[in-house]
Amino acid sequence: NAGVMQNPRHLVRRRGQEARLRCSPMKGHSHVYWYRQLPEEGLKFMVYLQKENIIDESGMPKERFSAEFPKEGPSILRIQQVVRGDSAAYFCASSRVPTTDSSRNTEAFFGQGTRLTVV
Amino acid sequence: GDSVTQMEGPVTLSEEAFLTINCTYTATGYPSLFWYVQYPGEGLQLLLKATKADDKGSNKGFEATYRKETTSFHLEKGSVQVSDSAVYFCALSDPLGSSASKIIFGSGTRLSIRP
Repeated sequence: NAGVMQNPRHLVRRRGQEARLRCSPMKGHSHVYWYRQLPEEGLKFMVYLQKENIIDESGMPKERFSAEFPKEGPSILRIQQVVRGDSAAYFCASSRVPTTDSSRNTEAFFGQGTRLTVV
Repeated sequence: GDSVTQMEGPVTLSEEAFLTINCTYTATGYPSLFWYVQYPGEGLQLLLKATKADDKGSNKGFEATYRKETTSFHLEKGSVQVSDSAVYFCALSDPLGSSASKIIFGSGTRLSIRP
C-alpha cells in the first residue's frame, strides 16, 4: 500500500508563472489536507478537501491559490502568478476518516512534500 | 481557538542523554494529541498519539502522556541516539472544537544529538 504521493518533489518557477502541485492520497483515503511550511517554521493549515468538495479553506490566501480534489485523479494545489513569498514546502496529508470523526481514529499520513522555489 | 505551544529549539544533547520536549495545548473540545517527527528533507511521520486523558502514547523509546489537568503532552525519551536528530511537532485534532476538520501543529522543535 503506497503512502501519500506528492509530485514533483522540487519545483522551480519564475515570478508570475503558475505552480501546480499534485497529491495522491493513500488507497482508501478520501480526505486530503494541504499544509504550507515556511523555512524554520511549523506547518500552517491551508485547505481540507473531500472528493469533489472543499470542506474548509480557512487557511488559503484569498487570491492566487486554489485547490481541487476531483472524483478521479489526484488533488491539485494551484498557485497562480507566483511571488517569492510563495517559496515554501507544501505538504499533503490524507486520512481514512475525517478529523471531525468522533471515533478519534483520525490519524493523518503525510507525503514527502513539494519544495517550491520562486526565482 | 485551538492552539499548540511547544518548546522552542534548537535542542542539542549528547548521545544517551534524557530528552524532554514540552508541549501544551488549548482546545475548546476534547482533542486527540499527536507527536510527529520530520527527518531532514522528508515529510512528517506520526511518532505517537493519545486520544484520551491519562493515555500514554509510545513508540521507538519515545513516550508522551495526555495530561488533561495541565493541558500538556510532553515528549520524553530516556536515552537519545544520533539517529533521533530531527524536528518534532506536537499536534492536536479536535473534532468538536473550533478547529474541527484540521490538525493543528506547534511550531516544531529541532533536536540535534552529538555523538
